[in-house]
Amino acid sequence: AQSVAQPEDQVKVAEGNPLTVKCTYSVSGNPYLFWYVQYPNRGLQFLLKYITGDNLVKGSYGFEAEFNKSQTSFHLKKPSALVSDSALYFCAVREWDYGQNFVFGPGTRLSVLP
Amino acid sequence: ETGVTQTPRHLVMGMTNKKSLKCEQHLGHNAMYWYKQSAKKPLELMFVYSLEERVENNSVPSRFSPECPNSSHLFLHLHTLQPEDSALYLCASSQEGMKAFFGQGTRLTVV
Repeated sequence: AQSVAQPEDQVKVAEGNPLTVKCTYSVSGNPYLFWYVQYPNRGLQFLLKYITGDNLVKGSYGFEAEFNKSQTSFHLKKPSALVSDSALYFCAVREWDYGQNFVFGPGTRLSVLP
Repeated sequence: ETGVTQTPRHLVMGMTNKKSLKCEQHLGHNAMYWYKQSAKKPLELMFVYSLEERVENNSVPSRFSPECPNSSHLFLHLHTLQPEDSALYLCASSQEGMKAFFGQGTRLTVV
């Protein structure tokens, strides 16, 4: 079975500092990996995905994520955080050969302090 | 705007009411999903439809009944709900599972 863990409920960083939101996953086959962001009372918005290719994936709003197969991780990063990045972040996984089901992690609340 | 529209945005219903949530996508996607998002709980997949056929039902109580009349529309029919069913219900669509596009959700309150 597929699963996703986000070990931190909350991450706080100062504006201008780099940020990392952690994600680890478990699948039996090859993973498709995704990051989504959710602002209050809104749906989830896609940030980036890893399918194959380069382990460093660049996405929307200056975010990037690094796929690490040996550590089964897909951490989200940004070199310089903005106050407007404060939101709930979800990591998700889908197996290549397991239908079209997306499994989401529990979410990490990012707070960027001015 | 993601191309996935959910109505209504907010719904308050009594435990004996019957109501329906609607989701519409015109992205040409072949899969549609219902997720439930409760406070302090992970996003829960409720139903998946692929090519208008239900492919997954994660032990959802029968008081929730999905309907997918065509590839662009998805409904969630609700009846005799419980207060613990109060949550944000999110619809999503995807093409071959490559990326999910979410609607803005329906905030449901059961009183």
